[in-house]
Amino acid sequence: EDQVTQSPEALRLQEGESSSLNCSYTVSGLRGLFWYRQDPGKGPEFLFTLYSAGEEKEKERLKATLTKKESFLHITAPKPEDSATYLCAVQPSSGKFYFGSGTKLNVKP
Amino acid sequence: SQTIHQWPATLVQPVGSPLSLECTVEGTSNPNLYWYRQAAGRGLQLLFYSVGIGQISSEVPQNLSASRPQDRQFILSSKKLLLSDSGFYLCAWRPQMSEQFFGPGTRLTVL
Repeated sequence: EDQVTQSPEALRLQEGESSSLNCSYTVSGLRGLFWYRQDPGKGPEFLFTLYSAGEEKEKERLKATLTKKESFLHITAPKPEDSATYLCAVQPSSGKFYFGSGTKLNVKP
Repeated sequence: SQTIHQWPATLVQPVGSPLSLECTVEGTSNPNLYWYRQAAGRGLQLLFYSVGIGQISSEVPQNLSASRPQDRQFILSSKKLLLSDSGFYLCAWRPQMSEQFFGPGTRLTVL
């Protein structure tokens, strides 16, 4: 059964305290893994797509990595404006998208 | 550039009333379109998706329906709302073989 699990559910960091969010997945043939950022009351904003194990992508303080079983979203020296819920989604060979329940990140100044 | 709109932004409806939520996409043609529902603190639940005009696939049996009367228009409807229909409704579009892009969402409260 295709599924996605994100951990932790919530994460509180001090400004400048680097950390990682985890997205574990079980799918039949991975077509792509996607990371989104969602602010309260808004639609998810696309961040990254990863297609194969070993791939990495960066954007400002965010870096996404992918293995055969999980993906990490690394946040380096976070700022309060990085506070949001981060969603992970996978697309298996069936073509459907499966979303995790997200990690709510709170960065304190 | 492509833009996705959802209307209305917020909606408060009584139980048993009808529903119509609209999603339109600009700047692209023949997109795949999706309706999701997001309950508080939970992930996105896929409700419907469409690969073309008049082509609708339902993922979850319920009292909701979807229609795609035009290439870039996707409508979510209900004849009689239930309390459990409350949530944040998101429309998304997807170019062929690519990631999904989401609209701003509609907050629906059923009282």
